[in-house]
Amino acid sequence: AQSVTQLGSHVSVSEGALVLLRCNYSSSVPPYLFWYVQYPNQGLQLLLKYTTGATLVKGINGFEAEFKKSETSFHLTKPSAHMSDAAEYFCAVSALPPGTYKYIFGTGTRLKVLA
Amino acid sequence: DAGVTQSPTHLIKTRGQQVTLRCSPKSGHDTVSWYQQALGQGPQFIFQYYEEEERQRGNFPDRFSGHQFPNYSSELNVNALLLGDSALYLCASSFQGAGNQPQHFGDGTRLSIL
Repeated sequence: AQSVTQLGSHVSVSEGALVLLRCNYSSSVPPYLFWYVQYPNQGLQLLLKYTTGATLVKGINGFEAEFKKSETSFHLTKPSAHMSDAAEYFCAVSALPPGTYKYIFGTGTRLKVLA
Repeated sequence: DAGVTQSPTHLIKTRGQQVTLRCSPKSGHDTVSWYQQALGQGPQFIFQYYEEEERQRGNFPDRFSGHQFPNYSSELNVNALLLGDSALYLCASSFQGAGNQPQHFGDGTRLSIL
């Protein structure tokens, strides 16, 4: 079975500061991992994904994440926060190729960016 | 190229009623998944349709049912609505032949039960 834990339901950072959103997963098989962002009254937009290969994954809007198997983590980072980054962020895991299988989501982290 | 489209965007129902939500997948996609997102929670998987059949199902009661049409569009039906069914219902589409490609999500239907 797969599960995802997102530490910190709310995170506040100053504009220009480092963003770090934490995600730990549990999976009995090599996982497929994702970060999605959700703006108010909208659906989920893919930020980045890890399937196989390079463990440091770069996504859109300057975000990146590193897959660390030994720590079962897939934390999301961005060097410098922008006001437009304020949103809800979800980490998700899939046990099988994502085109064919369900996602298991974490409970989300709401990012607040302070001017 | 249209992405995943869902209708309606908002819906208000009363307890005991039935509701149908609709989803058109992204062009080129053949698989549709439905998720329920309660307020303040992450999305929960309801079921997935491929080749007009339900292929996987999450931990949801039989009141939740679905259908996929030959054009790959899909419906989610919920019977005997409960207050707890109030949520954002998200549709996601994908293509079976591109297994590593992620699911694409629509903007959802917000269902409110009075």
